[in-house]
Amino acid sequence: DTAVSQTPKYLVTQMGNDKSIKCEQNLGHDTMYWYKQDSKKFLKIMFSYNNKELIINETVPNRFSPKSPDKAHLNLHINSLELGDSAVYFCASSQTGTLNFGPGTRLTVT
Amino acid sequence: AQTVTQSQPEMSVQEAETVTLSCTYDTSESDYYLFWYKQPPSRQMILVIRQEAYKQQNATENRFSVNFQKAAKSFSLKISDSQLGDAAMYFCAYRPPPQGGSEKLVFGKGTKLTVNP
Repeated sequence: DTAVSQTPKYLVTQMGNDKSIKCEQNLGHDTMYWYKQDSKKFLKIMFSYNNKELIINETVPNRFSPKSPDKAHLNLHINSLELGDSAVYFCASSQTGTLNFGPGTRLTVT
Repeated sequence: AQTVTQSQPEMSVQEAETVTLSCTYDTSESDYYLFWYKQPPSRQMILVIRQEAYKQQNATENRFSVNFQKAAKSFSLKISDSQLGDAAMYFCAYRPPPQGGSEKLVFGKGTKLTVNP
């Protein structure tokens, strides 16, 4: 009964490919997020959704497109992957201000 | 813009000893939230402790406690009786008051804590 789950946990792909990361939360939270953790461990918000509505889009290239089919799911699709996209991507959910993180997806672009 | 600064990239402590990790932040808000998250090698982000700015009392969770100095905008984490399992990256984070989902958690750059047996 994992609270926030992500698939896959590891993703290795070549430049130019398109890939998706899926996220699901069973906490009943209204707000979900995508965070990116770079090679220096710095965490930065990419997107937030509140009840399926996009709220924050934080200067992220158009190649990144989040989609929230319902408030329990927030997926991240990335087009035309670049070397610089290699990072750990965390999904998170929140109801009272505290973020519950998923296990992260380590994306490696070769 | 709010910023969070962790001035200690790395710290080490002997098992069973006490260590304090520093964090300062910058904000013009009077109501906000502060957090410490732990990231062990498994990379899972784990909430350690949370503090609401309107509460004067420092938050505690078992061996973890904070020293919240609102005027100084300081939020340090004290780990007592350090255990090997405490070894991890520790991130300080700031969050403004709820704004319908538009509030974002701003993280410091982290402090890597090593616990020596």
